[in-house]
Amino acid sequence: EAQVTQNPRYLITVTGKKLTVTCSQNMNHEYMSWYRQDPGLGLRQIYYSMNVEVTDKGDVPEGYKVSRKEKRNFPLILESPSPNQTSLYFCASSLSSPLGGGNQPQHFGDGTRLSIL
Amino acid sequence: GESVGLHLPTLSVQEGDNSIINCAYSNSASDYFIWYKQESGKGPQFIIDIRSNMDKRQGQRVTVLLNKTVKHLSLQIAATQPGDSAVYFCAENFPGGFKTIFGAGTRLFVKA
Repeated sequence: EAQVTQNPRYLITVTGKKLTVTCSQNMNHEYMSWYRQDPGLGLRQIYYSMNVEVTDKGDVPEGYKVSRKEKRNFPLILESPSPNQTSLYFCASSLSSPLGGGNQPQHFGDGTRLSIL
Repeated sequence: GESVGLHLPTLSVQEGDNSIINCAYSNSASDYFIWYKQESGKGPQFIIDIRSNMDKRQGQRVTVLLNKTVKHLSLQIAATQPGDSAVYFCAENFPGGFKTIFGAGTRLFVKA
């Protein structure tokens, strides 16, 4: 089954304790992206990746890191989490970049709920 | 399920009626637009898209209209069903990069 898989689905942790949220897709998509969703704000893009070893900042990259060493994986790293990063996070992928190859819609994972105390 | 928005605009319709959800986008140069549906506890799911060289596109029970003059996008759902109850987001893709901007969302509630 074609899917985007995020882990963990839920995490409660404390300020300053490094954490990684993994994201994996099995559709051989070039493009991957991370979003956070907060009440009334919709989804805001954190980072995106056009292909392996190619990443760039979205609208709200502060406090986050990403890496794209393999095509299928795009982990989101919070080196020193803070309470304002408490949010619902979504990973997404698409067959080509949204701007390349005719613009493709993104496939989303089911989300990761992070609570930073 | 997950709460995706406690203060979203809400549209309440009777089952069988048509629904129209509106969205204002931000960048006049955006060239690709998408509507997503998000159910509780799930990630957004693609419904329909439209490119900037079109003003209307139809799918199964859904139609998207694009008005570039006023930067407005709408989603029409025909014969709305209880299963259509969800939060709906519009999204725009910026040219010259790979950024996607989402609207704040509209909650659709279908009364049986």
